[in-house]
Amino acid sequence: NAGVTQTPKFQVLKTGQSMTLQCAQDMNHEYMSWYRQDPGMGLRLIHYSVGAGITDQGEVPNGYNVSRSTTEDFPLRLLSAAPSQTSVYFCASSPRQGNSPLHFGNGTRLTVT
Amino acid sequence: DAKTTQPNSMESNEEEPVHLPCNHSTISGTDYIHWYRQLPSQGPEYVIHGLTSNVNNRMASLAIAEDRKSSTLILHRATLRDAAVYYCILRITDSWGKLQFGAGTQVVVTP
Repeated sequence: NAGVTQTPKFQVLKTGQSMTLQCAQDMNHEYMSWYRQDPGMGLRLIHYSVGAGITDQGEVPNGYNVSRSTTEDFPLRLLSAAPSQTSVYFCASSPRQGNSPLHFGNGTRLTVT
Repeated sequence: DAKTTQPNSMESNEEEPVHLPCNHSTISGTDYIHWYRQLPSQGPEYVIHGLTSNVNNRMASLAIAEDRKSSTLILHRATLRDAAVYYCILRITDSWGKLQFGAGTQVVVTP
């Protein structure tokens, strides 16, 4: 069981470039989400999805787009990267039921120059 | 949203117990207390959760105060692998996993 897989592990972008961070899970979880983590801080929620075709904004959604066409995949798009988006990005998934724990990937470290 | 307060860091010797406190004085009746930990260069990992009663699992124990305004995560015998940032989080049932992370407690384990 692979769990939650994030690619790439590292990425360097120039300001204004676009890219997509990939997230895939093989546990048939309904719920998926994206967080970012800045140095010395906890994680902040960017976007989340409660099922295929349904997405919503979290705490810090500006500059990011998401879509959920399948249960397994939840890509995060940066349309025009900015230095403020330099961060470590984590994807998480969980079953729909109540207090089910979240399963996190190992992150994508993004640097925007 | 209810908030939690944790110490910035704690130190422990290997094979000794570690007691990690968390204050959540504004907790509501429907909030569960969740703990996650984050090892270096990894994503957060679920540790344990509870509502009112003390809970045990293979990783740790969770002791919840009778008034639920505070809780303590107990690592019974710290190992070097337990060195991580530990997050205490309040979670509303059916909140769709919208966890609100604070800065957590950095646990340092000394051989």
